[in-house]
Amino acid sequence: GAGVSQSPSNKVTEKGKDVELRCDPISGHTALYWYRQRLGQGLEFLIYFQGNSAPDKSGLPSDRFSAERTGESVSTLTIQRTQQEDSAVYLCASSWSGTGSSEAFFGQGTRLTVV
Amino acid sequence: GNSVTQMEGPVTLSEEAFLTINCTYTATGYPSLFWYVQYPGEGLQLLLKATKADDKGSNKGFEATYRKETTSFHLEKGSVQVSDSAVYFCALGKAAGNKLTFGGGTRVLVKP
Repeated sequence: GAGVSQSPSNKVTEKGKDVELRCDPISGHTALYWYRQRLGQGLEFLIYFQGNSAPDKSGLPSDRFSAERTGESVSTLTIQRTQQEDSAVYLCASSWSGTGSSEAFFGQGTRLTVV
Repeated sequence: GNSVTQMEGPVTLSEEAFLTINCTYTATGYPSLFWYVQYPGEGLQLLLKATKADDKGSNKGFEATYRKETTSFHLEKGSVQVSDSAVYFCALGKAAGNKLTFGGGTRVLVKP
């Protein structure tokens, strides 16, 4: 596609339910990032995928959070047993490489509200 | 570890005023530096970047110079417009690293 696509754009869920967020990166991009942005806050790194290498999971806040990516395609971020503090916008980004010198393209985000 | 510190907002100024947003970083080696912008209701987009010391990134009237001696990458614009109202994020990317590190963001509000 033309850009990074995320779905759903909005999700309201009850506390304790599981949610799955999807990210379609730009075709050919080997690197994929997930970030979290709480209301009025900065960007919090969650997880990073680079090709077939083991993902960098150092930003995942708890074992309720997990993410998968098959090859260089779609990624899903799963949050189990959601809590109210999980409410935030979840942003996905992709780039050509993981060198850090290439531009990361962001999706519009998924706004998650846990009630 | 790597870190980015940028001035807290909100920054409120009048149209045609001069804007500076300070950004300093901590990193080993020679990172690339970025400014991203998030306009109201939109996703983040790259505003400008610099990949080595003394490089100047520029776009849409904004400029930032990579200063290794002061570990800074301050964003400047000489004459802001209402349309520049947004949240600006400074970010660092290690050349051999594997993720972007963002500052906390600075909200800028330009009043007519």
